[in-house]
Amino acid sequence: DQQVKQNSPSLSVQEGRISILNCDYTNSMFDYFLWYKKYPAEGPTFLISISSIKDKNEDGRFTVFLNKSAKHLSLHIVPSQPGDSAVYFCAASGETSYDKVIFGPGTSLSVIP
Amino acid sequence: GAGVSQTPSNKVTEKGKYVELRCDPISGHTALYWYRQSLGQGPEFLIYFQGTGAADDSGLPNDRFFAVRPEGSVSTLKIQRTERGDSAVYLCASSRSSAGGYTFGSGTRLTVV
Repeated sequence: DQQVKQNSPSLSVQEGRISILNCDYTNSMFDYFLWYKKYPAEGPTFLISISSIKDKNEDGRFTVFLNKSAKHLSLHIVPSQPGDSAVYFCAASGETSYDKVIFGPGTSLSVIP
Repeated sequence: GAGVSQTPSNKVTEKGKYVELRCDPISGHTALYWYRQSLGQGPEFLIYFQGTGAADDSGLPNDRFFAVRPEGSVSTLKIQRTERGDSAVYLCASSRSSAGGYTFGSGTRLTVV
């Protein structure tokens, strides 16, 4: 049973436009949410995170929104750049700082020049 | 080193053989995690070490899988009597705390033929 879901396997966006990647989760005990980015033949790299006490966190072109009542989060990238083309994983963890992180299946983003 | 190092980068083994996968975490990172990623899926949690001890091994699929971290730094994931279904990319990550996200290595691609 998947606890973290990313229902769009792929997404194509024009360069300069906004990319919106969506994620849903089922476990209400998750306390911390993260986004990772992965290029081929490399390990995932941490991108941005948000605590369950917040509803928005912004870092440069990347913003993560959290809607706890809907158990939904999204990652906005604006403006999108060709170098953003990668697989994006939504992930969630529990209450302690070392809790294991549960990953979604990923969304492959293609930014078209 | 500057990042998480995993060796070998690729391993091809025959069904039924024993394999060892090595992970060198970032110096000073006390937490070390093993994940497995199959094609088209997100990383799947296997085991987490805090120091030398396995704090959570709930993700190990069966008793053919075992991991050690005898001195609290380098870790070895051991797979006995390999099966074709064990073929995947095995990812190692280390962390000071999950609040900042893990740092992943590039993974070991294991192919069982």
